[in-house]
Amino acid sequence: QSVLTQPPSASGTPGQRVTISCSGSSSNIGTNTVNWYQQLPGTAPKLLIHSNDQRPSGVPDRFSGSKSGTSASLAISGLQSEDEADYYCAAWDDSLNGYVFGTGTKVTVV
Amino acid sequence: QVQLVQSGAEVKQPGASLKVSCKASGYTFTNHDINWVRQATGQGLEWMGWMNSNTGYTGYTQKFQGRVTMTRDTSINTAYMELSSLRSEDTAVYYCARAAVGATTLYHFDYWGQGSLVAVSS
Repeated sequence: QSVLTQPPSASGTPGQRVTISCSGSSSNIGTNTVNWYQQLPGTAPKLLIHSNDQRPSGVPDRFSGSKSGTSASLAISGLQSEDEADYYCAAWDDSLNGYVFGTGTKVTVV
Repeated sequence: QVQLVQSGAEVKQPGASLKVSCKASGYTFTNHDINWVRQATGQGLEWMGWMNSNTGYTGYTQKFQGRVTMTRDTSINTAYMELSSLRSEDTAVYYCARAAVGATTLYHFDYWGQGSLVAVSS
């Protein structure tokens, strides 16, 4: 099972701010940077945030990431219908010597 | 532009092996690790392992040790993932993904293949 824990779901109305948490441990988030991936229905995952808070080119600034200790968060401000997707946090785990993904959070725009 | 194009869907019998290919273009293939991630229907992402595209050195998650082999052919910029002794639980979409940097502290995947659906059924 995943070593990074996320809430299974989150929702909001258009324009609202939604926050997704990601809880890890000292061997992953506590030591290494956190990344976030967005997976739209039926498509491959896409890098959304890397190195805790860095947005790749083309990612809207509505998406922001942060990290504190062994936890991280992804915030979506000004929620839009096209933001309906699954979101995964991820990081390298030094104890497992491998990359670990979070359990995933399904975001619904109601 | 960077592209990772994977091989097509396959149906395999239990006990067989599968080999998925991932052809890279738009960048220097040997400069970036290739990772493999799988996703069963309705489930989350599961990292399987990584390969240094230059040296061929690999690292696999313990779950797949002994069953997975990652290789590459640098002459055609293609990475391969072979999984043996297939069982029904291996039914999933398999993705290749390029690591942006090599340092594990900053490890992340900036480009992904489109996915290859593998169904294991008798």
